[in-house]
Amino acid sequence: DAKTTQPTSMDCAEGRAANLPCNHSTISGNEYVYWYRQIHSQGPQYIIHGLKNNETNEMASLIITEDRKSSTLILPHATLRDTAVYYCIVRVATGNQFYFGTGTSLTVIP
Amino acid sequence: GAVVSQHPSRVICKSGTSVKIECRSLDFQATTMFWYRQFPKQSLMLMATSNEGSKATYEQGVEKDKFLINHASLTLSTLTVTSAHPEDSSFYICSGLRSAGGEKLFFGSGTQLSVL
Repeated sequence: DAKTTQPTSMDCAEGRAANLPCNHSTISGNEYVYWYRQIHSQGPQYIIHGLKNNETNEMASLIITEDRKSSTLILPHATLRDTAVYYCIVRVATGNQFYFGTGTSLTVIP
Repeated sequence: GAVVSQHPSRVICKSGTSVKIECRSLDFQATTMFWYRQFPKQSLMLMATSNEGSKATYEQGVEKDKFLINHASLTLSTLTVTSAHPEDSSFYICSGLRSAGGEKLFFGSGTQLSVL
């Protein structure tokens, strides 16, 4: 079962940073935080994942609080193509399933 | 990112027929693949975990005799919806687990199944 809580929807102005929060208050010490997004009628796309340190790649940054009970996905300069449903998933590093919660529907506004 | 190919992308079939969906990892070996289904405006629901060379593990409430999964090689898994009925109409999505560089799941583009 999903172990995360996310807002149902968010809006963001084009060109601004989009900050998507995720609560995972019951996360275990060996569970990673993964972020995926799904554009309408497509398969989900991997964005980023991390354990406890902040992570950055070409798509986004992941900020994990020190107690690891919440995290924020940051899209630094949102574009219209970033409009999608964003899913936050917690999962043990190896061998376990990926369970999707309800996600956050992000709309980037021109 | 890694590439997972899924086909067909769309299939329409008559009630009572069987439909096979293929999922291939094109540039990595996927010992484990997962199959999901998604209804309109809902999240992805995990159906089963497919491990190469062994029987699939099904989630609670998913009928293993209706949704046959075969994972005969490290790059191919198939899902067969047997004796499909209109309530099986859904978006089916496969994914392959890549271990290199930390485990990440890569998804196919999905199959929209419509059963008439």
